[in-house]
This record gives sequence, structure tokens and C-alpha cells, in this order.
Amino acid sequence: DADVTQTPRNRITKTGKRIMLECSQTKGHDRMYWYRQDPGLGLRLIYYSFDVKDINKGEISDGYSVSRQAQAKFSLSLESAIPNQTALYFCATSDSGHLKQFFGPGTRLTVL
Amino acid sequence: TQLLEQSPQFLSIQEGENLTVYCNSSSVFSSLQWYRQEPGEGPVLLVTVVTGGEVKKLKRLTFQFGDARKDSSLHITAAQPGDTGLYLCAEIYNTDKLIFGTGTRLQVFP
Repeated sequence: DADVTQTPRNRITKTGKRIMLECSQTKGHDRMYWYRQDPGLGLRLIYYSFDVKDINKGEISDGYSVSRQAQAKFSLSLESAIPNQTALYFCATSDSGHLKQFFGPGTRLTVL
Repeated sequence: TQLLEQSPQFLSIQEGENLTVYCNSSSVFSSLQWYRQEPGEGPVLLVTVVTGGEVKKLKRLTFQFGDARKDSSLHITAAQPGDTGLYLCAEIYNTDKLIFGTGTRLQVFP
């Protein structure tokens, strides 16, 4: 089984809808991250969490919110989706004190 | 925010050829990582370089960190179709967050 899972893998929605992307991990890591990937722009950090009670904004947090429901779960919400939020979204985890991040398989989100 | 530029943006070669991709920064890197991302998957870490001038090898892949720590390169010898993917460099900042480069998309044809 995969260590970092994301659901759904693909989602098509309409402008103005609320969307939640979920991430779960079985690696026992305390740190979790959400990124979006756009062609030609690499991955950009949206939010990150170093433990259940710690939530921090990343480079591009506007229009997004997150919830760390448990050490193993970190969800990303788009309160009112807009077309320029169409992208690939990746969740990642890491262990404190270690530089290696482990990425999930991604969610492809299309906002019409 | 530091800008990481990768070049070339796209590279299409035949199996057996050698290639080099580059990652350049507007300022000095603290530490740098290289990732490979295959279609439908998330990035996977290949290597971390920390010291200026450092060279690391991973089978047919050679990673070099510039002496001034403002650039890095990835050289692949005798490329194979399995090397196809998106290669991303990423700087580690504040010890635990990453800034990613724009990526080089490599296609190796049999």
C-alpha cells in the first residue's frame, strides 16, 4: 500500500463550488505539506503543518484553507473554486529533522 | 522569494545519448535537492547536495553543486527510456521547506 494517499485522484467541478482534497499517510511523519503544480512553474507551497496544532501559510495560500484532523490526515479546501485553481495538487510528508519529503500521487483538479 | 530557473525546459533525445540539465539561482543556495517525477506520480527524491563543489553519483546520474552554490547540474550518461520524466531541483530553506525550480521535461526515445 502507498505510504501517502490522496483522494480523489481526479475531480472536475464548477466555479463557486466548495472542494475538499484529502491526504492520508502511514509513514508516521509529523510534517505535512500541500503543493500545487502548474506547467512551467514547478511546485509551489500552499500550506504546511509541523504537527496537529501547527498550521502555516505557504507561498500561495490565498483562496485555500487546510485542516490537520490528525497526525496522519491533512485536508485542503477550496472554499469557492475558480478556474485559475485548475492544477495538479500534491500532498507531501516529512519527518522533523530530515530533509526528505515523500509525495502522494497527486489530485488533478479542473475548475470549469 | 528565490527564483530557481531550470534549463532546458524540454529535452528529447535518443537512447544512449548523454545529457545535462541545469538549475540556477538568483542567490546562494543553502542546500539543494533533485527530484524526478513520472507521469501520474509525485516527485521522488534523487539526491541532496549541501557543500559547494560537491559531486554525487547515482548509477548513471551525476549531480554537481557549483563552487559558489548558485547553480547545480544533473548529467545522465547513456540515457534510457526509463529516465523519461520531469526533473525538478528544489532549494531547502528554513531547514524544512522547499522552493522548486521550473523543471526540465526529458523524453528518451528507444
